[in-house]
Amino acid sequence: AQSVTQLGSHVSVSEGALVLLRCNYSSSVPPYLFWYVQYPNQGLQLLLKYTSAATLVKGINGFEAEFKKSETSFHLTKPSAHMRDAAEYFCAVSDQAGGFKTIFGAGTRLFVKA
Amino acid sequence: EPEVTQTPSHQVTQMGQEVILRCVPISNHLYFYWYRQILGQKVEFLVSFYNNEISEKSEIFDDQFSVERPDGSNFTLKIRSTKLEDSAMYFCASSDDGNSGANVLTFGAGSRLTVL
Repeated sequence: AQSVTQLGSHVSVSEGALVLLRCNYSSSVPPYLFWYVQYPNQGLQLLLKYTSAATLVKGINGFEAEFKKSETSFHLTKPSAHMRDAAEYFCAVSDQAGGFKTIFGAGTRLFVKA
Repeated sequence: EPEVTQTPSHQVTQMGQEVILRCVPISNHLYFYWYRQILGQKVEFLVSFYNNEISEKSEIFDDQFSVERPDGSNFTLKIRSTKLEDSAMYFCASSDDGNSGANVLTFGAGSRLTVL
């Protein structure tokens, strides 16, 4: 069955610094991969998705993620953190073997220091 | 922008009581889901619903749980006899394409259930 592991429940960066949130997946068939973001008191929103086209995926708010099959990773990056990026980030996977059911990781809370 | 709305935002109940969590999905979406997140743990899939029936459910979704789309707009999750371990944030989601890998879920803000 497919699964997702997010390394680090909390990540803290300074404003302007690189953001790197780690995600590793497990899937027996080609996966579809997603990053969702949750701001306080809101539902999860899609940041970006990988659906077997380009391995480098660009999303909203300057975020991007790279699919690396050899490392089974889909890490999320942003070159320069902004205070408004403080939120919880969820990596997710779905695949045909799982009936395209979306499976989420535990989430990583991003703190941005001024 | 269309959104998924959930009520109540927070409910406190006594163990053994029945709870109904309500959701209004996006109007032209056909696939509906419930997920839950116990504090500090993963967002867990509970159930998916399509064409007025459950299409898939997890092992968490036992006989104490049920879902219903009573009137064509609301999508409800009922827990018949709540247990302490049911305390969690429950998220409703909907999508217009639940049968492909590009399936993108639109989530509500969640209903926090606290069982005492």
